[in-house]
Amino acid sequence: ETGVTQTPRHLVMGMTNKKSLKCEQHLGHNAMYWYKQSAKKPLELMFVYNFKEQTENNSVPSRFSPECPNSSHLFLHLHTLQPEDSALYLCASSQEGAGGANVLTFGAGSRLTVL
Amino acid sequence: QQQVKQSPQSLIVQKGGISIINCAYENTAFDYFPWYQQFPGKGPALLIAIRPDVSEKKEGRFTISFNKSAKQFSLHIMDSQPGDSATYFCAGGRGSNYKLTFGKGTLLTVNP
Repeated sequence: ETGVTQTPRHLVMGMTNKKSLKCEQHLGHNAMYWYKQSAKKPLELMFVYNFKEQTENNSVPSRFSPECPNSSHLFLHLHTLQPEDSALYLCASSQEGAGGANVLTFGAGSRLTVL
Repeated sequence: QQQVKQSPQSLIVQKGGISIINCAYENTAFDYFPWYQQFPGKGPALLIAIRPDVSEKKEGRFTISFNKSAKQFSLHIMDSQPGDSATYFCAGGRGSNYKLTFGKGTLLTVNP
């Protein structure tokens, strides 16, 4: 496996369900991100982890709960979601502090539908 | 919130034509302006990026033009090909800072 891998690719859940999205990066990067992509909206940064420490929580509702057990893995735990949370959730990674620009490598995304 | 405004929302170009996508930013602290390309079913991928110390950067058929005084930058795709059909996102950021501010995206369709 290379790059950034996300599972599952598609997820349908009811509002009372609990599910998790998984992301794994094989690039040796030290920062990982969750973005939300909705139609006709800018990519919305949700969470940032740098060296496993959460450095950004962009006013995300508590029904989204991130977990970063190590610098290669990132989870997004979902519970009691709303239909408006239906979107493509993108994971990305980058190498912070490399002295250059912050180049994000994205996964293919997890398409979430909340019924 | 500082925004990056992107236009047009969608664009249809004939094969061989020039595709032009424009972006305007508000945050004068931005010093890094990347463009990302996203194909259906894939995540965005870095296409080309520019720093504000130059007015133009070219990589193959892709060129970024940058106007610092107007706080605007644009992506030009020369000799557009059907394989260029994708959604393009501009963004602004500060050097190696992790936080990029993205535009809403432009869906480009290149007809054969």
